[in-house]
Amino acid sequence: AQSVTQPDIHITVSEGASLELRCNYSYGATPYLFWYVQSPGQGLQLLLKYFSGDTLVQGIKGFEAEFKRSQSSFNLRKPSVHWSDAAEYFCAVGGKGTGYALNFGKGTSLLVTP
Amino acid sequence: GAGVSQSPSNKVTEKGKDVELRCDPISGHTALYWYRQSLGQGLEFLIYFQGNSAPDKSGLPSDRFSAERTGGSVSTLTIQRTQQEDSAVYLCASSSSGTSNYEQFFGPGTRLTVL
Repeated sequence: AQSVTQPDIHITVSEGASLELRCNYSYGATPYLFWYVQSPGQGLQLLLKYFSGDTLVQGIKGFEAEFKRSQSSFNLRKPSVHWSDAAEYFCAVGGKGTGYALNFGKGTSLLVTP
Repeated sequence: GAGVSQSPSNKVTEKGKDVELRCDPISGHTALYWYRQSLGQGLEFLIYFQGNSAPDKSGLPSDRFSAERTGGSVSTLTIQRTQQEDSAVYLCASSSSGTSNYEQFFGPGTRLTVL
């Protein structure tokens, strides 16, 4: 069975500091991995995705993520956080066997302090 | 171009009533997905359609939930005899079926409150 674990429910960082949000997945076949962001009252927006190829993927808003098969991880990073990055972040896994339906983690809530 | 739209944006109903939630996917997208977002359960997959067919209904929480899609476009999620635990935001997403793109585009959701 596929599953996604986001170990950190809440994270607080100072504006300008670096950020890493953790994501671990369990999937029996080749996983397709995604990070979505949800701002208060807003819908889900795709930050980046990994299907194959280069394990370091670049996304929008200066985010990047690295796929590490040996660690079953797909951590999201940003070198310098802006106050507007405060939001809920969801890691998700999908694959051909499930019609690419997404299995989401519980989310990590990011708070950015001045 | 237009994104995924959902209606109504908010729905308040009484326990035991039936509700219908509508999703209009992006034009040309053959795959359509329903998810539910609630405080206790996070984001849960409910059902997906490829064209008008629903190969995977495993995520539907009970037989009170059903969904259909007509003309390969609009989809309706119906909840019969609503219960308070059905209160959640129901999200719809669509994607193209091309092998090069599995990105799902999400609608704004329908917030359902069962009193």
